[in-house]
Amino acid sequence: GAGVSQSPSNKVTEKGKDVELRCDPISGHTALYWYRQSLGQGLEFLIYFQGNSAPDKSGLPSDRFSAERTGGSVSTLTIQRTQQEDSAVYLCASSLGLPDTQYFGPGTRLTVL
Amino acid sequence: GENVEQHPSTLSVQEGDSAVIKCTYSDSASNYFPWYKQELGKRPQLIIDIRSNVGEKKDQRIAVTLNKTAKHFSLHITETQPEDSAVYFCAASNNTDKLIFGTGTRLQVFP
Repeated sequence: GAGVSQSPSNKVTEKGKDVELRCDPISGHTALYWYRQSLGQGLEFLIYFQGNSAPDKSGLPSDRFSAERTGGSVSTLTIQRTQQEDSAVYLCASSLGLPDTQYFGPGTRLTVL
Repeated sequence: GENVEQHPSTLSVQEGDSAVIKCTYSDSASNYFPWYKQELGKRPQLIIDIRSNVGEKKDQRIAVTLNKTAKHFSLHITETQPEDSAVYFCAASNNTDKLIFGTGTRLQVFP
């Protein structure tokens, strides 16, 4: 079946612009996660959703970052007024519930010039 | 909250040798412990997981052991091959919260 998909796969933007990253989880998965991974580094947790609600937003680096999930499915991560330090791969994952195997998407590579 | 520590951060072995990566966790309520492999430029993928009702699980050359008393779990790879070279992440969670990942181990297998 279809796995987790993310779009765009690559995004190059100028400092100060806003970007939206999209995640389509596996159908039926209630939990959805966003991570950030800088080159050669580990998985930095950003936020997760259980259904449409976000019980844990503790990983969002600043108020420039926000995320929403509608209809218990697609999620968008928005970064406002991007900075160069926002450059990284943004990974989305979904799971049936808690605790359960997380399936990762291919990621969006964000480059802020 | 849960905290997961992973060691070593890098590990180099000769092809055919064994590799062991260890993780410790802090929350005694954690009951699910997966291991993910991330090859260069790819997404993390689950390779094996264990739940707290068992002490060991094997899948061909890969095994995971869990010591609930000491709150640590380990990944064992036997007869390593160059294609085992990757970054490995451990993780832990309970029934009500998200997975907490370790910081990763970069494994290099030299032919």
